Amino acid sequence: DMKVTQMPRYLIKRMGENVLLECGQDMSHETMYWYRQDPGLGLQLIYISYDVDSNSEGDIPKGYRVSRKKREHFSLILDSAKTNQTSVYFCASTGQTYEQYFGPGTRLTVL
Amino acid sequence: GNSVTQMQGQVTLSEEEFLFINCTYSTTGYPTLFWYVQYPGEGPQLLLKVTTANNKGSSRGFEATYDKGTTSFHLQKASVQESDSAVYYCVPNGGSGNKLIFGTGTLLSVKP
Repeated sequence: DMKVTQMPRYLIKRMGENVLLECGQDMSHETMYWYRQDPGLGLQLIYISYDVDSNSEGDIPKGYRVSRKKREHFSLILDSAKTNQTSVYFCASTGQTYEQYFGPGTRLTVL
Repeated sequence: GNSVTQMQGQVTLSEEEFLFINCTYSTTGYPTLFWYVQYPGEGPQLLLKVTTANNKGSSRGFEATYDKGTTSFHLQKASVQESDSAVYYCVPNGGSGNKLIFGTGTLLSVKP
C-alpha cells in the first residue's frame, strides 16, 4: 500500500524553539517535497529533494532547512521558529509519472 | 512564467447538479495535467491526470479534457454528491518534470 506518513500530526511550539517535522514514504520514490498551506494561499513549495543529500530550494525556503539521509525519510527543520511559520505542512513524494503522493499533514502552531 | 488560473474560488451546488470548474494554465511545452482533490483534514490526493494533449481523463464520475489549443483543463461532473465537497486543484507539472504548480484551488460545497 503506497503511503506517505508524517509525524507529528499536531505540534505547538513557542517562538524561538527548534522544530523538527518528519516524513516517510514506502514507495522508494527518489523525489520528495515539503509544502506549507495557509488559508487563501494554496500550497507553497518550500523544498524539493531529488534523492539523498540532493536538496533544492523551492519557492519559499527562507527560515527552513531540510535533511535527507535516507531515501525514505525527509525532514523539515525550523531553527528558531517564528509565529508566521504557523501553518499546515505537507510532505509529498513522486515517482516517474510526476504524480505526487501527499501525507496527512502536520498542523504547527508557533506561539 | 508557469502559472495556473482557477477563477472560481468557491462553488456551491445542490446534490445532483452539474459541476464545471474552469482551469487555464500557462507552462512551457505540453505538460502532464492533474486534478487533485483535498478533503477537510487530509492531504491532497490525485483525482485524475492526462499526459497527452487533446485526451480526456476520468475518475469517480469526474472528467477533464486536455485542450492544448486553449490551454484549458476544465473539470466537470454530471451529478455531484454531498461527499464531493472538497477543494479541487488544477495542477500542471511545471515543465521541469518534478515540480507541480498548485494554485489556490476551488472550494466545492454540495448541499444535500
